[in-house]
Amino acid sequence: GEDVEQSLFLSVREGDSSVINCTYTDSSSTYLYWYKQEPGAGLQLLTYIFSNMDMKQDQRLTVLLNKKDKHLSLRIADTQTGDSAIYFCAEKDDYKLSFGAGTTVTVRA
Amino acid sequence: NAGVTQTPKFQVLKTGQSMTLQCAQDMNHEYMSWYRQDPGMGLRLIHYSVGAGITDQGEVPNGYNVSRSTTEDFPLRLLSAAPSQTSVYFCASSRNAYTEAFFGQGTRLTVV
Repeated sequence: GEDVEQSLFLSVREGDSSVINCTYTDSSSTYLYWYKQEPGAGLQLLTYIFSNMDMKQDQRLTVLLNKKDKHLSLRIADTQTGDSAIYFCAEKDDYKLSFGAGTTVTVRA
Repeated sequence: NAGVTQTPKFQVLKTGQSMTLQCAQDMNHEYMSWYRQDPGMGLRLIHYSVGAGITDQGEVPNGYNVSRSTTEDFPLRLLSAAPSQTSVYFCASSRNAYTEAFFGQGTRLTVV
């Protein structure tokens, strides 16, 4: 969606960290999400963050939120080949999810 | 617990044909929605429902109809298919406005 922007591609070496960035426009969003889509599959919720938080860590995943700049990032530590997928940033306003175009992450050996 | 089930997984239609994409959830979720996914555009909301008997339009509703006669089912109807409706369609449900959305596996539709 035009309200959520992400870069389209990211290539990362196996074992390195991946950082996927996202900007959004709706300052009233209460939840911000990261979804993962593997080839031929639906979307799987990876993690989310409340708008009153700055950071959330969940195993290899770290989400950072800068509300002032409306910037969200997802860091994947020790990236593995199974992390190759499309990652979508999404903001939620009531019932409606607005998605970015998705970042295709390719993990190379 | 099946979650969100979409049928069919794949479909090819001729221009002008009609069809219904099925979506069912067994989680007693109030909120259900349909998205389409096109390359480089993310997911765009077509229609949504906040409960049985209540539906509303999303971002790209033209050419699609929905109804919600039960909590479980939220079918999407294409009245007269057009090549521009070639896409991957996802159905999603959530318990309420503030909880996680669960997605089906998608229906890949090609209109020739």
